[in-house]
Amino acid sequence: AQSVTQLGSHVSVSEGALVLLRCNYSSSVPPYLFWYVQYPNQGLQLLLKYTTGATLVKGINGFEAEFKKSETSFHLTKPSAHMSDAAEYFCAVSPYGGATNKLIFGTGTLLAVQP
Amino acid sequence: EAGVTQSPTHLIKTRGQQATLRCSPISGHTSVYWYQQALGLGLQFLLWYDEGEERNRGNFPPRFSGRQFPNYSSELNVNALELEDSALYLCASSLTGAQLRQPQHFGDGTRLSIL
Repeated sequence: AQSVTQLGSHVSVSEGALVLLRCNYSSSVPPYLFWYVQYPNQGLQLLLKYTTGATLVKGINGFEAEFKKSETSFHLTKPSAHMSDAAEYFCAVSPYGGATNKLIFGTGTLLAVQP
Repeated sequence: EAGVTQSPTHLIKTRGQQATLRCSPISGHTSVYWYQQALGLGLQFLLWYDEGEERNRGNFPPRFSGRQFPNYSSELNVNALELEDSALYLCASSLTGAQLRQPQHFGDGTRLSIL
C-alpha cells in the first residue's frame, strides 16, 4: 500500500533560518505528491505538487520541494522562515492505479517559528 | 474566484442524532471529496463523488453517507452519531475525477462536536 511518513511531528526554527520538513513515500511506481499547509482553524491550502517532469518543484510563499526517487523523499524547504509560516504541514500521496482519487496524508508536522 | 465553501462552521449534536454537512465546490470542479480530521487519527479519506455518483469510499461504517447534487454541491450525512465522530470534516474539490490525481482544494471545514 502506498503511504507517506513525515519525520518529526514538531519542528522549531528561528525567524530567518532554513525550514526543512521531511517526507518519505512508499510506492512501487512514480507517485503524485503534494504538500499542504493548515493554519489554525482553517482548512488545507495546497503549497505545491509533483506529478511528472522537473523534480524541483516551486510552490507558494517561497516553499519548494525536491522529488528524489533514489531516496523516496519529497522534503519541503524554505530558505528563510517567517513568523507567518507557523502552521501544520502535511505531505500527501495520490495512489497510482485503481479507480480512486483519494489522498493519503502523513501525520503532519507542526512548525513553530521563534522570533 | 470563490473557493470551496462549507456550512455550517460548527455543529453540536448529541449521541444518536443525525448530522448533515454541506459543501459547495469551486466553480468548474465536478469532483467532491470528504475527509475526517479527528484528534489523534489524522486526515482520513471518507468519500469521493464525481458527476453525481459515489466513486470511492474510505474505511468508514455505512452510517456515513452522502450525495452530490446536479450543481455538484454535496452533503455528508452521519447517522446515529457517536462520541468518536467528533472531528473536523473537510470537503475538497477538483477538476473532473476522470483525470485521476488532480490537485484537491479544501474548504475550511465543519467542526462537529458530539456531546
